[in-house]
Amino acid sequence: DADVTQTPRNRITKTGKRIMLECSQTKGHDRMYWYRQDPGLGLRLIYYSFDVKDINKGEISDGYSVSRQAQAKFSLSLESAIPNQTALYFCATRGGTSTDTQYFGPGTRLTVL
Amino acid sequence: GQSLEQPSEVTAVEGAIVQINCTYQTSGFYGLSWYQQHDGGAPTFLSYNALDGLEETGRFSSFLSRSDSYGYLLLQELQMKDSASYFCAVRDDSWGKLQFGAGTQVVVTP
Repeated sequence: DADVTQTPRNRITKTGKRIMLECSQTKGHDRMYWYRQDPGLGLRLIYYSFDVKDINKGEISDGYSVSRQAQAKFSLSLESAIPNQTALYFCATRGGTSTDTQYFGPGTRLTVL
Repeated sequence: GQSLEQPSEVTAVEGAIVQINCTYQTSGFYGLSWYQQHDGGAPTFLSYNALDGLEETGRFSSFLSRSDSYGYLLLQELQMKDSASYFCAVRDDSWGKLQFGAGTQVVVTP
C-alpha cells in the first residue's frame, strides 16, 4: 500500500462549489504539506502543518483552508472554487531526517468549470 | 525577491550525460534538493546537498556551491526512463519548507 494517499484522484466541479481534498499517510511523519502545480510554474506551497495543533500559511494560501484532523490526516478545502484553482494538487510528508526528503502523494487533478 | 532558475528543457540521446543547472536567490538557505517527476506522476526525491561539494548516487550526482548560490544535477548514462521533469528545491528556513524551481524537462531520444 502507498505511504501517502490522496482522494479523490480526479475531480471536476463548478465555480462556487465547496471542495475538500483529503490526504492520509502511514509514514508516521509529523510534517505535512499541500502544494499546487501549474504547468511551467513548478510546485507552490499552499499550507503546511507540523502537528495537529500547528497550521501555517504557505506562499499561496488565499482561497484555501486546511484541517489537520490527526497526525495522519491533512485536508485541503476550497470554500468557493474558482476556475483559476484548476490545477494538480499534491500532499507531501516529511519526517525528522537530515536529508529534507519530502514524500509526495499521487496527486489530485482538480478542474473548476 | 526569491527565485530559483533552471533551464526549461534539455534534450539528449541515450547514453549521454546531462547537466541541469540551478541558481537560487532566497531569504535563507539550509540545503538544495532535487526531485524527479514523470508525466502525471508524483515528484520523487533524488538528492540533497547541504554543504558544498558533490554527492553521488548511482548514475545521478548533485553539486552545490553555496558561495555562488548554484547547484547542478548530473545525469549519466542516460536511459529512456530518465525522460521526466527535474526540479531543484531550496529549503529556506528551519521549518523545512521547500521552494521549488519551475522544473527542467529532460527528453531522452534513441
